[in-house]
Amino acid sequence: QVQLHESGPGLMKASETLSLTCTVSGGSINDENDYWGWIRQPPGKGLEWIGTASSGETTRYNPSLSRRVTISMDTSNNQLSLRLTSATVGDSAIYYCVRHRGAYISGFYNPSFFDYWGQGTLVTVSS
Amino acid sequence: EVVMTQSPATLSASPGETVTLSCRASQSVGRNLAWYQLTPGQAPRPLMYGASTRVTDVPARFSGSGAGTDFTLTISSLQPEDFAVYFCQHYINRGPWTFGQGTRVEI
Repeated sequence: QVQLHESGPGLMKASETLSLTCTVSGGSINDENDYWGWIRQPPGKGLEWIGTASSGETTRYNPSLSRRVTISMDTSNNQLSLRLTSATVGDSAIYYCVRHRGAYISGFYNPSFFDYWGQGTLVTVSS
Repeated sequence: EVVMTQSPATLSASPGETVTLSCRASQSVGRNLAWYQLTPGQAPRPLMYGASTRVTDVPARFSGSGAGTDFTLTISSLQPEDFAVYFCQHYINRGPWTFGQGTRVEI
């Protein structure tokens, strides 16, 4: 059973860099068939996909965040990390670490739905 | 980017009732559609993928249907633990993957 656990600062100031770590157990982030990513949910709002990484492919980012976000993989510690630069109050959200299941879609192997989620970690950016 | 629109935003119901949630995509996504349940304090729970395939251990009272641009999630015989927020998500192409804005099912 895959388990994901997010950790991060909880409270930070605007203009700083938001940094989160996700520790994965029950699965290897080094498996080329698996994808791993981040999703966030601002207070009272919906879900927003941030980005998806795989050891076998280029990391993909939401175009709305791509200039500020970096997702990296630490295969030796089986951890996924998220960095979001120049944080604003609008980046306040619950951040979820997810496994993005791979599947054959129209003949191509691609990420599909998010089959494992962490509990999420609340990040508040203060002005 | 595919825009996902859910309706209604809020749905009031009582335990034992059957409810139907709708999700519409701005372009065809085939059957590449998933549903999730969000309950405060818990990890989001995937319910359905491929529009109508239940994730392991999801009760049979949850059913999904649709293809192309119009999808529904039906919850039969609502249980107290079903009062939550439900999101749909498409997974065509190689991203960006987008969600609907959610439907809150409340008592």
